[in-house]
Amino acid sequence: QSALTQPPSASGSPGQSVTIPCTGTSSDVGGYNYVSWYQQHPGKAPKLIIYEVSKRPSGVPDRFSGFKSGNTASLTVSGLQAEDEADYYCSSYAGSNPYVFGTGTKVTVL
Amino acid sequence: EVQMLESGGGLVQPGGSLRLSCATSGFTFSSFAMSWVRQAPGEGLEWVSAVSSGGGSTFYSDSVKGRFTISRDSSKNTLYLQMNSLTAEDTAVYYCARTTTPGTGRLDDWGQGTLVTVSS
Repeated sequence: QSALTQPPSASGSPGQSVTIPCTGTSSDVGGYNYVSWYQQHPGKAPKLIIYEVSKRPSGVPDRFSGFKSGNTASLTVSGLQAEDEADYYCSSYAGSNPYVFGTGTKVTVL
Repeated sequence: EVQMLESGGGLVQPGGSLRLSCATSGFTFSSFAMSWVRQAPGEGLEWVSAVSSGGGSTFYSDSVKGRFTISRDSSKNTLYLQMNSLTAEDTAVYYCARTTTPGTGRLDDWGQGTLVTVSS
């Protein structure tokens, strides 16, 4: 099972929006509405910020939103803040492989 | 408050073995499926293994199948990962993680991780 494809980096100025794509196949992203997104700050554990494509766990700001079309999911961070600077990973359920992760995207707040 | 604390990491020689533990608190351990996820230095996340809430079903990535064994002890609220025949490619921070909804690709809570280094 290959990793999902994400761009290595993305950036935006404070207050702007950034969108991170996550491309898979019909066996993972396209086959299930089970895409999750995780935020990871340096030296810290990942944190779930989106599940089931577009749902937010309690406590996650609504500046974070998720979407999926076909084999590509995306995470949008609106109103960028300094604390949003982190690595972001998508993940998809893929049947026999319950967790397939993306390659990760480093978001820089300019 | 959900808490998960990994331990057991360290330096091991190629071909060696190590057992990781993940001590949990703040939730009913026996009610939740658990996973191990690893992250090689400077690299992305890789799912390693999962176990059902009751322990009767286990799952492994192809990269560790036949070498690693996941288990759990509900009397101790602890998750384990027995790692055998270790290679340099197993060097990583190993996280334990809890899922509230199995089969949805969702890992709700994570421990802080324990570093495993395989080197001679």
